[in-house]
Amino acid sequence: EIVLTQSPLSLPVTPGEPASISCRSSQSLLVESNGYNYLDWYLQKPGQSPQLLIFLGSNRASGVPDRFSGSGSGTDFTLNISRVEAEDVGVFYCMQALQTLTFGGGTKLEI
Amino acid sequence: QVQLQESGPRLVKPSQTLSLTCTVSGGSITSGGNYWSWIRQRPGKGLEWIGYIYYTGRTDYNPSLKSRILISVDTSKNQFSLNLNSVTAADTAVYYCARSRMSTVTTVPYYFEYWGQGTQVTVSS
Repeated sequence: EIVLTQSPLSLPVTPGEPASISCRSSQSLLVESNGYNYLDWYLQKPGQSPQLLIFLGSNRASGVPDRFSGSGSGTDFTLNISRVEAEDVGVFYCMQALQTLTFGGGTKLEI
Repeated sequence: QVQLQESGPRLVKPSQTLSLTCTVSGGSITSGGNYWSWIRQRPGKGLEWIGYIYYTGRTDYNPSLKSRILISVDTSKNQFSLNLNSVTAADTAVYYCARSRMSTVTTVPYYFEYWGQGTQVTVSS
């Protein structure tokens, strides 16, 4: 089983400031044949279902504000928020899709 | 706009079978390239993928739950269902249904774009 470790567990931020969340994988998520990293990012706002932010490591999903960006390759990935807004409060999860799906433990963003 | 809605009993007794149905609206469950999964979130724990089904009936399950799971599809009703047998308190969770794409390279779902609102299921006598 691929284990994803997120840090920090909790991230207090000030609106307008940047934020960064790390996701480290126990195995490389890069498929050499197509160059894709099989890692998604999701945000679960309070009382809601998770929503897709980023897929295949760095591709923003439809309708996702451009202040969200994903980067990284292999085993180390980062979700960046260029300017945090109050509506971004919730728990962020990374998910690997290389083998049987697993999720990271989550990072709670608080304002 | 595709919408998914979970339904089923909120309370299940230990050792019995948990049965949930996901009704898809705003699109056909038979549209190619879309895979239909169940995911759960246990109290104090993160998200756990349970398994998926394609409209043809092809399935794949999380090995940790495989012996207890059956996922089926009813294309005439635009629904898919989850049966989880021999439940214990450890199966208490919010259960989500979701739509994803599938990588032809990894043969694993990804890109969960649409989710149901989730349904809380409690296992207790």
